Amino acid sequence: QVQLQESGPGLVKPSQTLSLTCTVSGGSISSGSYYWTWIRQPAGKGLEWIGRLYTSGSTNYNPSLRSRVTISVDTSKSQFSLKLTSVTAADTAVYYCAAGVYPFPLSEYWGQGTLVTVSS
Amino acid sequence: EIVLTQSPGTLSLSPGERATLSCRASQSVSSSYLAWYQQKPGQAPRLLIYGASSRATGIPDRFSGSGSGTDFTLTISRLEPEDFAVYYCQQYGSSPYTFGQGTKLETK
Repeated sequence: QVQLQESGPGLVKPSQTLSLTCTVSGGSISSGSYYWTWIRQPAGKGLEWIGRLYTSGSTNYNPSLRSRVTISVDTSKSQFSLKLTSVTAADTAVYYCAAGVYPFPLSEYWGQGTLVTVSS
Repeated sequence: EIVLTQSPGTLSLSPGERATLSCRASQSVSSSYLAWYQQKPGQAPRLLIYGASSRATGIPDRFSGSGSGTDFTLTISRLEPEDFAVYYCQQYGSSPYTFGQGTKLETK
């Protein structure tokens, strides 16, 4: 049973970079058995798919965020991360990391979510 | 990108009743790669259905999914008190893997 836990700053200033980490337990991040995904949800709104990474290094990003987002993996730490540059108040949301069993890039396992507020 | 439109926006029903939620895609969803999630306040979403009609592990059989192409349905045969929540559909056949805007299932 894969377990996921997000971590990172809860407050980021406008124009700065949002950086979050997801720590994986109960499954090997380097096994090639999973897709690793980031999803966000502004308060009171729906879910937005940010992007996903496969252990081979291949990534897919939401075109609406592609110019600002990077998802990467650190297999030595069993972590994958999200970086979102040039943030604005519109990036304020609960950020979830999630995982799906290859070859289906859906989200079977979820972290509890972490609130990131963009404000000066 | 595939746009998913869920209807109704809000569904008001009583425990014991049957719920039917709709998800319509702007173009055909390949291989019926359509999932349904349930989200309760303050919690992460939970996967209910994948592949349009397969129940995820541990999901009660009162939840069922159907459909193909552009029209998909989530049915809850007999509502339990814990089923009142927000439900999202997601297509994962074509990147970006978009979500619908959600249907809120509330107690009548």
